[in-house]
Formats: sequence, structure tokens, C-alpha cells
Amino acid sequence: KQEVTQIPAALSVPEGENLVLNCSFTDSAIYNLQWFRQDPGKGLTSLLLIQSSQREQTSGRLNASLDKSSGRSTLYIAASQPGDSATYLCAVFSVDTGRRALTFGSGTRLQVQP
Amino acid sequence: NAGVTQTPKFRILKIGQSMTLQCAQDMNHNYMYWYRQDPGMGLKLIYYSVGAGITDKGEVPNGYNVSRSTTEDFPLRLELAAPSQTSVYFCASRGGTGELFFGEGSRLTVL
Repeated sequence: KQEVTQIPAALSVPEGENLVLNCSFTDSAIYNLQWFRQDPGKGLTSLLLIQSSQREQTSGRLNASLDKSSGRSTLYIAASQPGDSATYLCAVFSVDTGRRALTFGSGTRLQVQP
Repeated sequence: NAGVTQTPKFRILKIGQSMTLQCAQDMNHNYMYWYRQDPGMGLKLIYYSVGAGITDKGEVPNGYNVSRSTTEDFPLRLELAAPSQTSVYFCASRGGTGELFFGEGSRLTVL
């Protein structure tokens, strides 16, 4: 059974810092991995989607990498801003779970201090 | 751009009552999902559908039912509500690239 772990569970940084959020998964047989942002009381917004054949994806100040063989992904946020404060979740779409759906981690709650 | 629309946004139920959470998407996606999110936890899959007329159970299907009569709509039915079903429910649909799009969520409290 696929399991997804995100470390740390919470993170507080001063504005302007570069930071890395980690995601690990137990089964490397995946179709893709997706990073989401969730603001309090809101739904999930897709940030980046990495297909299993890709190593990284970039969008603005965000860069996500994927190392399928080691079961790891990182989300790099450059020059963090208070508006980046949110919970970040990663999810993997696995090949052999029998269910065509994503498995989610519990998220990293990020607070960027002005 | 409507995307994925969920109703209601908030609802309070008494134990034993039933209700339906509505979900509609206008992107012509075949795949649709229902997840629940408990405080501090990730999302757990309740049910999913790969197209009209086809549904299947996820990790936590007990106490719920779904139907998929059209591509656009994927309602979630709660029968005999229990306090353990207090949660935030999210509907999502999946595009051809594999990207998932979420609704705003339905916050349900069972008292």
C-alpha cells in the first residue's frame, strides 16, 4: 500500500528565505506526483505536476523535483513571502494500488514571517 | 471558469439524518473523486468514478454511497449520519494530463 510522508509537519521562516519542503513515498511505481497548496478553510490548488518520466518542474518561484528510485520529491520555494503562508500537500498517483486515485501526505504547514 | 463546484459549503446534521453533497464539473473530465479531510490529516479517498455509470470504493467508503449518471455530476450520499462523519469533504476531477482539480469543500458537522 502506498504511503506518503511529509516532513516537517510545520515550518516557520522569516520573509526572504529560500526553503525546501520534503515528500517521501514508499512505492516508486507511480504515474505522477502533484504538489498542492491549501489556504485555511479553502480547497486545494494545484501548484506543480511532475510525470514519472520527469525530474523536475518549475513555476515562478517554485521548483519541484522528483527522484522516483529513492521515493522522494522536494518543493523548493525561492525568496519566500508572507503570501506563501499555507499548507502544502504532496500526492502520488500510483500504478499498482488498483485504485486510480492519488494518495496524499498530511501536509507541511508553512508560515512566513514578515 | 466554474471548474469543480460543491454544494452546500456548510451543513449541520443530527445523528441519524441523511443528506447528499453535490459535486459538478464543467471540464468534461471522466475521473471524479470524493475525499474527506480530518483536522491535521491528509485526504482519505471515499469513492471515485472513472466515467458515467462506473463507480468504485476508496479507502473509507463505509457510511457513504455515490452515483454517476452523467459525466458532469458526482453526488455523495450520507446515510444515517454519525459523529465520525464530521469532516470536510472535497470533490475533485482529473484531467487528461493527470492533474487534479478540487472544489472548495463542504464542511459537515454531525451532532
